[in-house]
Amino acid sequence: DSGVTQTPKHLITATGQRVTLRCSPRSGDLSVYWYQQSLDQGLQFLIQYYNGEERAKGNILERFSAQQFPDLHSELNLSSLELGDSALYFCASSVGEAGNEQFFGPGTRLTVL
Amino acid sequence: GQNIDQPTEMTATEGAIVQINCTYQTSGFNGLFWYQQHAGEAPTFLSYNVLDGLEEKGRFSSFLSRSKGYSYLLLKELQMKDSASYLCAVRGYNDYKLSFGAGTTVTVRA
Repeated sequence: DSGVTQTPKHLITATGQRVTLRCSPRSGDLSVYWYQQSLDQGLQFLIQYYNGEERAKGNILERFSAQQFPDLHSELNLSSLELGDSALYFCASSVGEAGNEQFFGPGTRLTVL
Repeated sequence: GQNIDQPTEMTATEGAIVQINCTYQTSGFNGLFWYQQHAGEAPTFLSYNVLDGLEEKGRFSSFLSRSKGYSYLLLKELQMKDSASYLCAVRGYNDYKLSFGAGTTVTVRA
């Protein structure tokens, strides 16, 4: 158990819908990262927040957005869902901004039908 | 951007040694990481190299050559539980983004 929690574990929804994935980092960690993992794309970095501020951005679609709240938990919002958005979404956390060691949560498996 | 290359699959026998190579081409470099991922589970951190040389951590070692854009992960005294995917990742210089390779699936046979 990494200490990072993610909810829900599984999510099944339809195309065009909007979902919110939630992540609570390890106690004391200020950085939160979001990743998408699909069979054809591998593990892709989406976005990083550090102490409430956006710190780095990957190839995150405009339909996706995230935020980190004052209590340091984070949410990833996915809207206008498409079939290709079906993937495993991981959240990770680290103590510092550089993320020398990231601790991954168990992931949320999103299925878009 | 980053271009990271590692073999797709490797098979080895229990008790043996396996070396997983990773080559990268990057516009900026600030660290190379190895993560282990068992099927259906989250990645777990194995090692971090930012300077050239070998970092040893129990049965696992990681090597980096920045001039060659090359790293390897060495797994010694293989155990069945080492069967997993091993992900090589590179961090960019001006940001903290990790770019992952596609992963190497290692199968340990009895």
